[in-house]
Amino acid sequence: NAGVTQTPKFQVLKTGQSMTLQCAQDMNHEYMSWYRQDPGMGLRLIHYSVGAGITDQGEVPNGYNVSRSTTEDFPLRLLSAAPSQTSVYFCASSYSTGEKLFFGSGTQLSVL
Amino acid sequence: DAKTTQPPSMDCAEGRAANLPCNHSTISGNEYVYWYRQIHSQGPQYIIHGLKNNETNEMASLIITEDRKSSTLILPHATLRDTAVYYCIVRVASGGSNYKLTFGKGTLLTVNP
Repeated sequence: NAGVTQTPKFQVLKTGQSMTLQCAQDMNHEYMSWYRQDPGMGLRLIHYSVGAGITDQGEVPNGYNVSRSTTEDFPLRLLSAAPSQTSVYFCASSYSTGEKLFFGSGTQLSVL
Repeated sequence: DAKTTQPPSMDCAEGRAANLPCNHSTISGNEYVYWYRQIHSQGPQYIIHGLKNNETNEMASLIITEDRKSSTLILPHATLRDTAVYYCIVRVASGGSNYKLTFGKGTLLTVNP
């Protein structure tokens, strides 16, 4: 029973590089989301999805892309990394929107 | 949006009850109160939620005032492992059948031996 799995746990990028943060859940949840957490701040919603093929923007979507081709996976893409994207990223899922969220263990990203 | 106000930090002695307050004076009648916690460097963990009745589960109790303008999360016998940031969140409808959970800065609860 893995729950929500995020990879990698740590990543260092140079400015301008691209990468994809992976998120997978095995609970057949319809709702999936990405948050970022910066020091001393709460979690801010980047993008979310209410089902396969459906995505929408959260509070801070600029610089990030998402897609949802399957129920299980919700990858987050940084097309051209910037130092301002240095943060800890959390993926979360729930049975449906507004239900209790299950979080992954996070990805710590540093952009130099 | 219904916003929440929590104290930035609290202390509690191990074995004692921890009572974490939350004000949500602009909450609407159909908006739920959720509590999550985040132990250092881990992902947040769901604790409990409620609408207007008091709720209890294996982790905690949630007391919501009759006017619903505030609530208290109670950890009945705090342990060192309960040291974490606790988030009080009001679930707000965001269009269609969607909802939004906004995580503020929360309360850092430190349980002392």
